[in-house]
Amino acid sequence: GQQVMQIPQYQHVQEGEDFTTYCNSSTTLSNIQWYKQRPGGHPVFLIQLVKSGEVKKQKRLTFQFGEAKKNSSLHITATQTTDVGTYFCAGLMYNFNKFYFGSGTKLNVKP
Amino acid sequence: DAGVTQSPTHLIKTRGQQVTLRCSPKSGHDTVSWYQQALGQGPQFIFQYYEEEERQRGNFPDRFSGHQFPNYSSELNVNALLLGDSALYLCASSLRLAGVNEQFFGPGTRLTVL
Repeated sequence: GQQVMQIPQYQHVQEGEDFTTYCNSSTTLSNIQWYKQRPGGHPVFLIQLVKSGEVKKQKRLTFQFGEAKKNSSLHITATQTTDVGTYFCAGLMYNFNKFYFGSGTKLNVKP
Repeated sequence: DAGVTQSPTHLIKTRGQQVTLRCSPKSGHDTVSWYQQALGQGPQFIFQYYEEEERQRGNFPDRFSGHQFPNYSSELNVNALLLGDSALYLCASSLRLAGVNEQFFGPGTRLTVL
């Protein structure tokens, strides 16, 4: 069954608005990665979170890993048209050296 | 420094046929993972190769098999193709002992089964 759930499926925002996507796992994760896939492209690595409660920032992007290491979020402040794409989380389960990808959140930014 | 390359870019097959997809990892990487991405879905893990052996496998039937060569390149073979095998097949390479196991994805092979 689905190991990693991601919501929302779609998000349409006006340029300048904020955006958040959430990722939830049914089991505790060893670590979680976030990827961005532009339309017609392939996933591109954004970041990896390992520690419980970890927060990392990349310019306008803020990534969080939950205290229980079962959930994560990606928040984009003041979206730009260049942020358009699908954002995926990928969780690594303990004792399983393979990543389970969420179904992704497709972000559309209107100028 | 070449990134991950995959061939072919596109492929059209008919049901029951067999297909081989190829992947060359990023220079310096020793681990190759294969993913299947259906339209509108996230990548689904097929298997991973390291030191020429399959190390991990996802929930895919035995029709899906692979190989890794001494130069770390890899092949994905799918036998007895079904319509449902139509998808984008992604190869991702990484360095096994790296502190951050960042995966670098190739551009993918778009497989259409008619």
